[in-house]
Amino acid sequence: DTGVSQDPRHKITKRGQNVTFRCDPISEHNRLYWYRQTLGQGPEFLTYFQNEAQLEKSRLLSDRFSAERPKGSFSTLEIQRTEQGDSAMYLCASSSGLLKETQYFGPGTRLLVL
Amino acid sequence: DAKTTQPNSMESNEEEPVHLPCNHSTISGTDYIHWYRQLPSQGPEYVIHGLTSNVNNRMASLAIAEDRKSSTLILHRATLRDAAVYYCILFNAGGTSYGKLTFGQGTILTVHP
Repeated sequence: DTGVSQDPRHKITKRGQNVTFRCDPISEHNRLYWYRQTLGQGPEFLTYFQNEAQLEKSRLLSDRFSAERPKGSFSTLEIQRTEQGDSAMYLCASSSGLLKETQYFGPGTRLLVL
Repeated sequence: DAKTTQPNSMESNEEEPVHLPCNHSTISGTDYIHWYRQLPSQGPEYVIHGLTSNVNNRMASLAIAEDRKSSTLILHRATLRDAAVYYCILFNAGGTSYGKLTFGQGTILTVHP
């Protein structure tokens, strides 16, 4: 078990371009979360999957953002027509859904929009 | 979501104990108290959690006030590797929260050699 992995670790893009991030959760975890973290702030919840179903989306997730988790395994987060305000660390976490709900976070993808 | 209040920053010397406080006066009976920490350039890492009783694990201890309106994360012997942002989070296992964590700004812990 290698923990939660995210790819890429860093992404620099120009405003208006589309970007896609990937998250591979711990294999037996059925719950997957995306968070966004800007400099000096704590992570903010974006969206949640249980298996392949996307059960909750934050108001922070504008129409330019879309997330998928086909087959309930890895997940992708796509941002279309990126804006400078999208620059942040995008974190993925997974959990087994047990009562204590410990979440295991990946190292994050740092996005810079120029 | 019930809120937590933590000091913005704290400092400690290496090998000394550190007590990180957290106030959560609006905690409900079903809220668990979770602590995560985030080392520089890494994702958050689970530290410990509790409901009513004090808890110990290999990383830390969690002392919960009798009225549950406050708690303290205790690092028994701080090391330089404990320098991180520590987040106190109330987690409600029920309802429609789906387990999402609501992070505040946390406490930046600096450990001096």
